[in-house]
Amino acid sequence: DTEVTQTPKHLVMGMTNKKSLKCEQHMGHRAMYWYKQKAKKPPELMFVYSYEKLSINESVPSRFSPECPNSSLLNLHLHALQPEDSALYLCASSQDGTGQGGLDYGYTFGSGTRLTVV
Amino acid sequence: RKEVEQDPGPFNVPEGATVAFNCTYSNSASQSFFWYRQDCRKEPKLLMSVYSSGNEDGRFTAQLNRASQYISLLIRDSKLSDSATYLCVVNLGPDSWGKLQFGAGTQVVVTP
Repeated sequence: DTEVTQTPKHLVMGMTNKKSLKCEQHMGHRAMYWYKQKAKKPPELMFVYSYEKLSINESVPSRFSPECPNSSLLNLHLHALQPEDSALYLCASSQDGTGQGGLDYGYTFGSGTRLTVV
Repeated sequence: RKEVEQDPGPFNVPEGATVAFNCTYSNSASQSFFWYRQDCRKEPKLLMSVYSSGNEDGRFTAQLNRASQYISLLIRDSKLSDSATYLCVVNLGPDSWGKLQFGAGTQVVVTP
């Protein structure tokens, strides 16, 4: 299995809703990432989990809350989002969690969740 | 100055022609380099890593020039299916927790 699977593929939520995005990989990768991508812009890093511990939070607002229940799963909990949070949310993984995992092999991205906040 | 810069294009390329474009990076500590391809409304997909000696994968050739801090991608015998945005990606290495720096992408449009 060489895939990163994200669910749901599409999500529409109101500003008072609570929802979660899910990401799963079975490649034995020890680092997992959340990226946000707006139209015609490159992906922007949000969070990095390394060996199931949060190692980087790129000053993301607290209405986004990541969780890593185990080495294969990564969640992003959403609460009280704003319309400007509408974007493609990408999960990625890389081989090891020391920061070296992506050096030779790059990252594998999931197909993303397209989020619309209304 | 952006950390990774690319010509946004679009590069309009007749089918069968060759197209090449560069990407410059500002951080000399950058350790590894990649080209990703992203189709409209899809996720980025790794096209190829870029090695110091240059490397080729079929119709695609990537080069790295550390002295001038740029990488390049050349596509030979362009196919309609090569139409996409090509993202230059730089890995800053373990000291930066392997953070990736993305360029804004170069759009390639292959025409019949």
